[in-house]
Amino acid sequence: NAGVTQTPKFQVLKTGQSMTLQCAQDMNHEYMSWYRQDPGMGLRLIHYSVGAGITDQGEVPNGYNVSRSTTEDFPLRLLSAAPSQTSVYFCASSYDPGDRVNTEKLFFGSGTQLSVL
Amino acid sequence: GIQVEQSPPDLILQEGANSTLRCNFSDSVNNLQWFHQNPWGQLINLFYIPSGTKQNGRLSATTVATERYSLLYISSSQTTDSGVYFCAVERANAGKSTFGDGTTLTVKP
Repeated sequence: NAGVTQTPKFQVLKTGQSMTLQCAQDMNHEYMSWYRQDPGMGLRLIHYSVGAGITDQGEVPNGYNVSRSTTEDFPLRLLSAAPSQTSVYFCASSYDPGDRVNTEKLFFGSGTQLSVL
Repeated sequence: GIQVEQSPPDLILQEGANSTLRCNFSDSVNNLQWFHQNPWGQLINLFYIPSGTKQNGRLSATTVATERYSLLYISSSQTTDSGVYFCAVERANAGKSTFGDGTTLTVKP
């Protein structure tokens, strides 16, 4: 069981370049989300999805696009990279636990360290 | 949106000491989770604890939902406990969590 898989782990871009961060989960979770973490700060929500074909903006969506064509995949696209987008990006998946008592609800990938020069 | 405040922002301990980390949140929540971010940046789940008390070895957590706070207790701290501890809350089950800014814990040998 791989959990949440993010690629690449590291990326360096020049200002104005575009790229896609990949995220896949194999737990059949309904919800997926993207966060960014800047130095000394907590994670901030970029975009999230409550199911295939449904996405919505989080706290810091500008400069990013997402789509959710399948339950498993939730790619994050940087349209025209800017130095302000230098950050560590985390993808997460989660589910509705209902009345179940569980030990973990939000599952994270290992992160992508992105530098924009 | 919901606000999450964690305290203290930084904590330095000698190995073997105990500590309490606090997470306050501004509105009612359905979900609350504590994470440890290790020095390699990996986020490790500690507890899913929207209410009540849980224990796992030297760590325990308590959430008092009606008073909008959660506490993480670390007993007999070890150097491997060093890192950043985050509290994340969610108002509804929609995969949309809000994080605090974390508590940076340094345990010295």
